[in-house]
Amino acid sequence: GQNIDQPTEMTATEGAIVQINCTYQTSGFNGLFWYQQHAGEAPTFLSYNVLDGLEEKGRFSSFLSRSKGYSYLLLKELQMKDSASYLCAVRDVGGYNKLIFGAGTRLAVHP
Amino acid sequence: DGGITQSPKYLFRKEGQNVTLSCEQNLNHDAMYWYRQDPGQGLRLIYYSQIVNDFQKGDIAEGYSVSREKKESFPLTVTSAQKNPTAFYLCASSLRQGGLTPSTDTQYFGPGTRLTVL
Repeated sequence: GQNIDQPTEMTATEGAIVQINCTYQTSGFNGLFWYQQHAGEAPTFLSYNVLDGLEEKGRFSSFLSRSKGYSYLLLKELQMKDSASYLCAVRDVGGYNKLIFGAGTRLAVHP
Repeated sequence: DGGITQSPKYLFRKEGQNVTLSCEQNLNHDAMYWYRQDPGQGLRLIYYSQIVNDFQKGDIAEGYSVSREKKESFPLTVTSAQKNPTAFYLCASSLRQGGLTPSTDTQYFGPGTRLTVL
């Protein structure tokens, strides 16, 4: 079956660093996406990993280990506006661009 | 400026009525998708379309229908056959399907329509 696991909720302090983990068990793998979603709004694209290693983009970094079925999103210098849900999605193999989404991690940043 | 629009943002309907949700994009994307989001669950794919006049069922297509008569538009109809239609509906598009690069495959989402069936 297809399974993507993320913690349901996390809390962190403004200015700190937080790591949001994602583990996946899917029949195929062709890349992993992270999206940010503020309550009641559209998910916005953050990062994409298809090879093992770390991708850095400003305050956000994403890591992938395909052999372990594991990814994390690292948020540095947290700001209040980073309070949101973070969605992990695995791109399946096959003829179309199917994404399998985890339930998301709701991050609350406190002063 | 380019983007994906969905209307309306909030929609209320009585049980047993069909309702159509709008999705328009001016990004010149070939592929479009409809997802449903429920509390505590990941986004689930309802329908997708790779090209005009072609669309395929996703994982939870029962009770829904779509059309793709124009590249820019991919409306979703929630029919009375959908047993639990109250949800947040998200439309997305990507430049292409199966392009195997982030720039072609990344899906960009519209603002969503929250449908409540009374």
